[in-house]
Amino acid sequence: NAGVTQTPKFRVLKTGQSMTLLCAQDMNHEYMYWYRQDPGMGLRLIHYSVGEGTTAKGEVPDGYNVSRLKKQNFLLGLESAAPSQTSVYFCASSYQGGAGNEQFFGPGTRLTVL
Amino acid sequence: SQQGEEDPQALSIQEGENATMNCSYKTSINNLQWYRQNSGRGLVHLILIRSNEREKHSGRLRVTLDTSKKSSSLLITASRAADTASYFCASMEYGNKLVFGAGTILRVKS
Repeated sequence: NAGVTQTPKFRVLKTGQSMTLLCAQDMNHEYMYWYRQDPGMGLRLIHYSVGEGTTAKGEVPDGYNVSRLKKQNFLLGLESAAPSQTSVYFCASSYQGGAGNEQFFGPGTRLTVL
Repeated sequence: SQQGEEDPQALSIQEGENATMNCSYKTSINNLQWYRQNSGRGLVHLILIRSNEREKHSGRLRVTLDTSKKSSSLLITASRAADTASYFCASMEYGNKLVFGAGTILRVKS
């Protein structure tokens, strides 16, 4: 099993450009999550999904959109990138939410917005 | 921000010593989890303690939870150079969301 994979690993954008980050998991997990990690701030939840076709807002959703058209994939979109979105983005998945369910993380995507 | 806090922010010890990291959180929780992150990598789950548990062990790891103080601690015994990493606590609030602390950077010197 590959676990959780993220594409791309690195990306540099100019302000105003758009892009999509792809997350894929092969563990048949119901729940998927997108986080951003900034220096000294731990991880903050952007959006999450509790199943195919569903999405919900996390702590810092502004400027991002997501889609979960297939159970194994969770896409994070930036429609008009801003320098404040420079960060490392992590995708995670879990079998279910709630008690007793650890999250499995991808290796991260390092995004720089100039 | 809903984030909890971790203490200390950074810790440097000699190989063989014990390392203790503390975590505080803000709301009622279902469980609390600890994760490790090696430099440039994703997070890896270490251990989970439920809200009705007070202490849990896994190999060289010992986690305690005090729900009255909304705090947890992670003890790594007999540390090794390979334990060098950032350690994050994450509180599982009711509603399926993990809230991460800012992390403790542990350096184990050989």
